[in-house]
Amino acid sequence: GAGVSQSPSNKVTEKGKDVELRCDPISGHTALYWYRQSLGQGLEFLIYFQGNSAPDKSGLPSDRFSAERTGGSVSTLTIQRTQQEDSAVYLCASSSDRGHTEAFFGQGTRLTVV
Amino acid sequence: QKEVEQDPGPLSVPEGAIVSLNCTYSNSAFQYFMWYRQYSRKGPELLMYTYSSGNKEDGRFTAQVDKSSKYISLFIRDSQPSDSATYLCAMTPEGAQKLVFGQGTRLTINP
Repeated sequence: GAGVSQSPSNKVTEKGKDVELRCDPISGHTALYWYRQSLGQGLEFLIYFQGNSAPDKSGLPSDRFSAERTGGSVSTLTIQRTQQEDSAVYLCASSSDRGHTEAFFGQGTRLTVV
Repeated sequence: QKEVEQDPGPLSVPEGAIVSLNCTYSNSAFQYFMWYRQYSRKGPELLMYTYSSGNKEDGRFTAQVDKSSKYISLFIRDSQPSDSATYLCAMTPEGAQKLVFGQGTRLTINP
């Protein structure tokens, strides 16, 4: 597609429920990143996928968070048993083999846990 | 202490002014330095990136990196109301993939 697409744009969920956030990267981009942006804060790294390599999961805040990338394209970030502190904007980015210096971000999914 | 420090502002300047945005960092391994612009309810958009020390200019924007002081700057000349946004600095070491971001500075250019 023309850019990185994320869905849904907004999600309101009840505490304790599971949520899935989707990212469609730019076609042909091998690298995919998930970041989290809390109100008034910078972006916090969550996870990074590159081709068929094992993902870098070092930024995932707890075992309630997981992500997968199917067929080297679409990625899903899953948050289980959501908590109020999970409320944030979840941003996905993709880049070509040239790497992070030219990463393109999606518009984000605004998650609100009530 | 955060690895990257950035004054969150808000910063408000009149149209046409020169704007200076800055970040300091503590990790001497950082080699790639970037500036992103983020409009309200949008994803960050890459403005400029610089490798190691030095200056880089692109139109009205100039990025400077001073590795000896662990200090980076973004200058905006002839600022326009359309420049009103949050500006985020980001950086990463050589060979690493995850970007470390500053908190972002909220900038408003008044007509």
